[in-house]
Amino acid sequence: ETAVFQTPNYHVTQVGNEVSFNCKQTLGHDTMYWYKQDSKKLLKIMFSYNNKQLIVNETVPRRFSPQSSDKAHLNLRIKSVEPEDSAVYLCASSFYRDWGAETLYFGSGTRLTVL
Amino acid sequence: AQSVTQPDARVTVSEGASLQLRCKYSYSATPYLFWYVQYPRQGLQLLLKYYSGDPVVQGVNSFEAEFSKSNSSFHLQKASVHWSDSAVYFCALSMGDYAQGLTFGLGTRVSVFP
Repeated sequence: ETAVFQTPNYHVTQVGNEVSFNCKQTLGHDTMYWYKQDSKKLLKIMFSYNNKQLIVNETVPRRFSPQSSDKAHLNLRIKSVEPEDSAVYLCASSFYRDWGAETLYFGSGTRLTVL
Repeated sequence: AQSVTQPDARVTVSEGASLQLRCKYSYSATPYLFWYVQYPRQGLQLLLKYYSGDPVVQGVNSFEAEFSKSNSSFHLQKASVHWSDSAVYFCALSMGDYAQGLTFGLGTRVSVFP
């Protein structure tokens, strides 16, 4: 049962355009993430937010910017896309527990193709 | 720095045969370990996780994994696979740090043939 919702599923755009992806979770979690999955299936964390506060901000180009309106929503904006941005962007959420690791729950992803 | 290695990029098995997917990790302490599965054009779904205690953990769909501290491994197994098990399987590690997410291996693509 899907509880992390991503829109759109697919997006095709041209170099230099701006794109925005949306993510919403209905699990009551307090932490959300963006991961990038490249064509070889490599998964790399880009950002994490806890209660609207940016926690992880990995080395990604400055054209990427996350946006969180509340703990259930985390969007990703890419200003002026490049061909290397073609990938699947996966949103995930978790509930932070100070006694151990968090289990991440993933959305189905947004596949971006940059022409 | 922590890392996860899945040495087999692709595994092909016949339906009904057993399956073992290997995972080795590198981390100075005992990590939290996970196996996820990704079906075509879908997100990742949790199969099982290990936090502590019994080194053999049971997961969904008859998958199980065994943690070995001495070998720094967390191998996934299934006694009898079905064609629907064809997917990409990811091993992942967490250090348990605040909102740091998971470190993933490169995945193993499993193809089950009838």
